[in-house]
Amino acid sequence: GESVGLHLPTLSVQEGDNSIINCAYSNSASDYFIWYKQESGKGPQFIIDIRSNMDKRQGQRVTVLLNKTVKHLSLQIAATQPGDSAVYFCAENYGNKLVFGAGTILRVKS
Amino acid sequence: DAGVIQSPRHEVTEMGQEVTLRCKPISGHDYLFWYRQTMMRGLELLIYFNNNVPIDDSGMPEDRFSAKMPNASFSTLKIQPSEPRDSAVYFCASSPTHSSTGELFFGEGSRLTVL
Repeated sequence: GESVGLHLPTLSVQEGDNSIINCAYSNSASDYFIWYKQESGKGPQFIIDIRSNMDKRQGQRVTVLLNKTVKHLSLQIAATQPGDSAVYFCAENYGNKLVFGAGTILRVKS
Repeated sequence: DAGVIQSPRHEVTEMGQEVTLRCKPISGHDYLFWYRQTMMRGLELLIYFNNNVPIDDSGMPEDRFSAKMPNASFSTLKIQPSEPRDSAVYFCASSPTHSSTGELFFGEGSRLTVL
């Protein structure tokens, strides 16, 4: 029979532009969130995290924004580079477990 | 630091065969996690250990799946008997702290194909 898989949203950006990847999380009681990057054939790699008592955190070229009112998380990547092409996952800590979202594909056009 | 080491990287087997996946966590990490990734269901937590003791195995799909951690530097995930629907990439991850307080360090995964 026909298999139905996850249809990951895809974001295509031009090299040098800023990227914004969005994530809606499930549980209002989640207290910790992480963004991971997964390149083809590799395991997820930590990018940045944020606790629920914060609404913004900045790293090197990346910023995470947290809006608890609408249970929304975003990852902003400044000056996107070809090496940023990957699948990006948000994860929430709920029930002492990290629960991953479905992921977003980021494609960087040169 | 060698990171989390998984083996085999690729395994192709026939339905009904036993499959054993192996993981060496990062030295000093007290937590070890097994995840499964498929196109259908994304990344799912199967089981995690703290100090070699299984803490939560509620994600293990059924009795055909079992995981052990005989010591701090080694864990196995076993599927017996394997079925085609078990085809997936299985990731092991370790962490020095609980997942609520720190990042997980993932291995490169074991891609399993059951024919």
